[in-house]
Amino acid sequence: EAGVTQSPTHLIKTRGQQATLRCSPISGHTSVYWYQQALGLGLQFLLWYDEGEERNRGNFPPRFSGRQFPNYSSELNVNALELEDSALYLCASSLQGWGVYEQYFGPGTRLTVT
Amino acid sequence: AQTVTQSQPEMSVQEAETVTLSCTYDTSESNYYLFWYKQPPSRQMILVIRQEAYKQQNATENRFSVNFQKAAKSFSLKISDSQLGDTAMYFCAFMKLSNTGTASKLTFGTGTRLQVTL
Repeated sequence: EAGVTQSPTHLIKTRGQQATLRCSPISGHTSVYWYQQALGLGLQFLLWYDEGEERNRGNFPPRFSGRQFPNYSSELNVNALELEDSALYLCASSLQGWGVYEQYFGPGTRLTVT
Repeated sequence: AQTVTQSQPEMSVQEAETVTLSCTYDTSESNYYLFWYKQPPSRQMILVIRQEAYKQQNATENRFSVNFQKAAKSFSLKISDSQLGDTAMYFCAFMKLSNTGTASKLTFGTGTRLQVTL
């Protein structure tokens, strides 16, 4: 069974540009979570999507947005990029149901803003 | 809001020895889950073990076990018979269940970098 996949692996953008990151969850998983892993800041929760709806949002500016498609894949958009947006962006997926709480992570997208 | 604290930024252990990584958390919730994830240098985050807060019995997965002290809000990870492949960053994570009692976001600690040496 395929795991969580993310694309691209690396992304280099200039300050002020927009970045789009993509995530495909494990087959059958309806929830997708996005986390930012910035140097010195640890892993911070960004966004949670389930069944196409945004369920929760972390303490990030509106420049960070996303969506979930009918096939449960998701994309994260970061507008007006700033240097401090440089980080590893991790996507995770999970089932939704009683007794199933594990999140499974993808390999991440390394975003570099210059 | 929940917080997770890992007070050991770095640890080292010799191969075949046992090591314990510490984690404490702060929450007013009564129903939650705790996890340990490892992130090897290749960066893919891997689930190591999970613990349900309502269970008194400590979780065990092969060489990995936890010491869950709910009253003390402590959740340590013990790695027995350490192997070179255990070298990684280890993250403790907390999950408050959603309003419907299902999975929701994870809150992570800052991580402990574990080096296993020969």
